[in-house]
Amino acid sequence: DAGVIQSPRHEVTEMGQEVTLRCKPISGHDYLFWYRQTMMRGLELLIYFNNNVPIDDSGMPEDRFSAKMPNASFSTLKIQPSEPRDSAVYFCASSPGGRGQYFGPGTRLTVL
Amino acid sequence: GENVEQHPSTLSVQEGDSAVIKCTYSDSASNYFPWYKQELGKGSQLIIDIRSNVGEKKDQRIAVTLNKTAKHFSLHITETQPEDSAVYFCAASRVEGAGSYQLTFGKGTKLSVIP
Repeated sequence: DAGVIQSPRHEVTEMGQEVTLRCKPISGHDYLFWYRQTMMRGLELLIYFNNNVPIDDSGMPEDRFSAKMPNASFSTLKIQPSEPRDSAVYFCASSPGGRGQYFGPGTRLTVL
Repeated sequence: GENVEQHPSTLSVQEGDSAVIKCTYSDSASNYFPWYKQELGKGSQLIIDIRSNVGEKKDQRIAVTLNKTAKHFSLHITETQPEDSAVYFCAASRVEGAGSYQLTFGKGTKLSVIP
């Protein structure tokens, strides 16, 4: 398996623009997690899904953030409108049964 | 909620020496403690984990110890090699059957192994 795939790897956008981050989990994994990593706050869980259903989105910072998982092999994290303070590395992780999480390479987002 | 503190934030060791990274957690109900290694440009890789019914676990040069009473756990890397250089994250979680698997991460430790 290729592991967790994220795209794009790097994204530079201007404030106010819509940003969509994509994730393909490892086939057969029933949990999917979205994290944000910054120097100040470290790794923060934003939201996670079980069998495509959002279980806990309490980590989503604001209504500007939304996440979907239309099927078992794809998830998106959308920021609309984006702000400079959203600049961070966003990681997606998947897991069989929730325990051992396998991380993707991350998307480095820069909002100017 | 859970709070995980990790120390030190940076650590430099000579090749061949041992490295120790320590974490404390606040929620006494946490029972699952994984460690992740993050290399530049890559996602975090699970390197070892420990459950609360075990005090120590070893995998070749890597070991993790857990003290539930004191609520702290540590990562030990022996005979360090340059390829061990990375950022290491500890995490804690309360796992209840098929329930929540939310991980709370420490802030990370940047380990540099000097050849």
